[in-house]
Amino acid sequence: DVKVTQSSRYLVKRTGEKVFLECVQDMDHENMFWYRQDPGLGLRLIYFSYDVKMKEKGDIPEGYSVSREKKERFSLILESASTNQTSMYLCASSPIRGGNQPQHFGDGTRLSIL
Amino acid sequence: AQSVTQPDIHITVSEGASLELRCNYSYGATPYLFWYVQSPGQGLQLLLKYFSGDTLVQGIKGFEAEFKRSQSSFNLRKPSVHWSDAAEYFCAVGTAFIDYKLSFGAGTTVTVRA
Repeated sequence: DVKVTQSSRYLVKRTGEKVFLECVQDMDHENMFWYRQDPGLGLRLIYFSYDVKMKEKGDIPEGYSVSREKKERFSLILESASTNQTSMYLCASSPIRGGNQPQHFGDGTRLSIL
Repeated sequence: AQSVTQPDIHITVSEGASLELRCNYSYGATPYLFWYVQSPGQGLQLLLKYFSGDTLVQGIKGFEAEFKRSQSSFNLRKPSVHWSDAAEYFCAVGTAFIDYKLSFGAGTTVTVRA
């Protein structure tokens, strides 16, 4: 089975801090994604990557950046955390290209910014 | 661009009763369609997917979904609900082009009463 592991289930940080969320997948998938999930809004794509060192903006990239130095690892960075970034963050991966590939999700990180 | 609408925010159903969750998509060509389930505190798990062929698709946990092109719908059904089916359900659509992104609906929360 595909395993997508997010480093923290719960995280509490302060406004202005630089925050790192880590995600690792063990199935050699090319594509990796970061979403945030908010009640009533479903999942919104922040960034995705289809190869090492490649990244593309999703629908809501403002205030975030990403890093993909190795194929299995995709990091989400909040450069200067703000309270409106309190949310559930989900990482996902999928193999090769094409919209017909289901994405496999981690268990999520619930991030609170105080 | 593709989009997904889940008209029902919250559904309550009795254990043993049937369940149907609605999903409508907007896309000009044949879409790739997915249903995911999210149990409390967990990530998303793939229930089933539709790419082509038979419009009635069987998934895990006793779920099925039917693709109706004329109605732009992909409704999820289960004949007899178990208490463990209480969760949030997401419909998602992908496209046939070199676009690995999925667009998710806002989700439907299912409550199961004894």
